[in-house]
Amino acid sequence: DIQMTQSPSTLSASVGDRVTITCRASQSISSWLAWYQQKPGKAPKVLIYKASSLESGVPSRFSGSGSGTEFTLTISSLQPDDFTTYYCQDYSGYSRTFGQGTKVEIK
Amino acid sequence: EVQLVESGGGLVKPGGSLRLSCAASGFTFSDAWMSWVRQTPGKGLEWVGRIKSQSDGGTTDFAAPVKGRFSISRDDSKNTLYLQVNSLRTEDTAVYYCATDCSSGSCHVDPPMSYWGQGTLVTVSS
Repeated sequence: DIQMTQSPSTLSASVGDRVTITCRASQSISSWLAWYQQKPGKAPKVLIYKASSLESGVPSRFSGSGSGTEFTLTISSLQPDDFTTYYCQDYSGYSRTFGQGTKVEIK
Repeated sequence: EVQLVESGGGLVKPGGSLRLSCAASGFTFSDAWMSWVRQTPGKGLEWVGRIKSQSDGGTTDFAAPVKGRFSISRDDSKNTLYLQVNSLRTEDTAVYYCATDCSSGSCHVDPPMSYWGQGTLVTVSS
């Protein structure tokens, strides 16, 4: 099974900062990678799919890149609403494996 | 408006069983592939399994930790998805979400999980 590893597990940043979260797959998943944002007590919300496609309605400060085994989610200028947890997800095959999550907290 | 509403969670003893339901509306349920995802309290997301549409065979796939204990079914006449959870263990304690999933024909243009329910809590404890 493909394993997804996110780094860092926790990221401390300030409003206005540019932040990057990395997700690595244990084998190539081409561009079959999605990013989700989850707020406490709520279901996840998809931000990015096919590694770099922005879901409709998601602010343009969010962007994704990468292919193969290494991917990044970038938030160009952190807003107060962005301090929460982010997950990557592989959907290259029959399964839908998630990374372990990255919590973005206020510095 | 797409809506997914889970129900059926609760407190169950180790070794017990439950059937979770997910009532769908606002889209053509019979065409949709559907997944279940769970989240242990305070922890990350774990994909549980998926069912394809009947037109794509209606087959299911499961994550290794639940294979052989969990099953997924659907009733397209009732727009309802089910997750049967058997031989429950304490480590199965989690919030269980249903979500729409992209199909082999749509994953190249659609996200894998666009819509989610609010989740239903399953607690396994003696």
